[in-house]
Amino acid sequence: EVQLVESGGGLVQPGRSVRLSCVASGFSFDDYAMHWVRQAPGKGLEWVSGINWSSHNIDYADSVKGRFTISRDNAKNSLFLQMNSLRVEDTALYYCVKDSTSSWYGLSTAFDFWGQGTVVTVSS
Amino acid sequence: QSVLIQPPSASGTPGQRVTISCSGSSSSIGSNTVNWYQQLPGTAPKLLLYSNNQRPSGVPDRFSGSRSGTSASLAISGLQSEDEADYYCATWDDSVRGPVFGGGTKLTVL
Repeated sequence: EVQLVESGGGLVQPGRSVRLSCVASGFSFDDYAMHWVRQAPGKGLEWVSGINWSSHNIDYADSVKGRFTISRDNAKNSLFLQMNSLRVEDTALYYCVKDSTSSWYGLSTAFDFWGQGTVVTVSS
Repeated sequence: QSVLIQPPSASGTPGQRVTISCSGSSSSIGSNTVNWYQQLPGTAPKLLLYSNNQRPSGVPDRFSGSRSGTSASLAISGLQSEDEADYYCATWDDSVRGPVFGGGTKLTVL
């Protein structure tokens, strides 16, 4: 059974940093691309960042580019999101998401498994 | 404003057939396949359809999808109370250079 367990969320002041983690199990982690997708309170889904299996292909939504950094450790079946210079508008539930393929960029790949998410609240 | 446009709400009675539209552009739906996600209340999204009309294992054949030009649609036949959820379309956008979602459609089963 595929499991994705996020952690690291919480209440953080504007301008500060937080690091999200996601531990994966139930599949061969290093065979698949991974993503972070967020959902602001009462709002829809927004793709945040994606990383292919080898970490050679990484990209970000314009709204977070230059502030967030995605990374992965295949030896530890883990995905990370370093979030710096946080803004109030970054407040959301952040989902760790498994891609259905190893390489996602330029393709309409399916996000086939989602974690339960971790909440990040940016407020003074 | 989402790149993909969905109606904010839809409704139907048990047993009915409902459709949810998803409108994009030549750089999104016009050039790429569409995936659909179902988000039941208080839960994480779940992949419902991929590659326009393919169902993952375990998804009932009451759910179907289509794509034509720059639009796509999700159809649910034999509507059931447990289908009450938010539905999102998604695809790759060649202009944005990233995955994009629709704003979501809240389906109510009357």
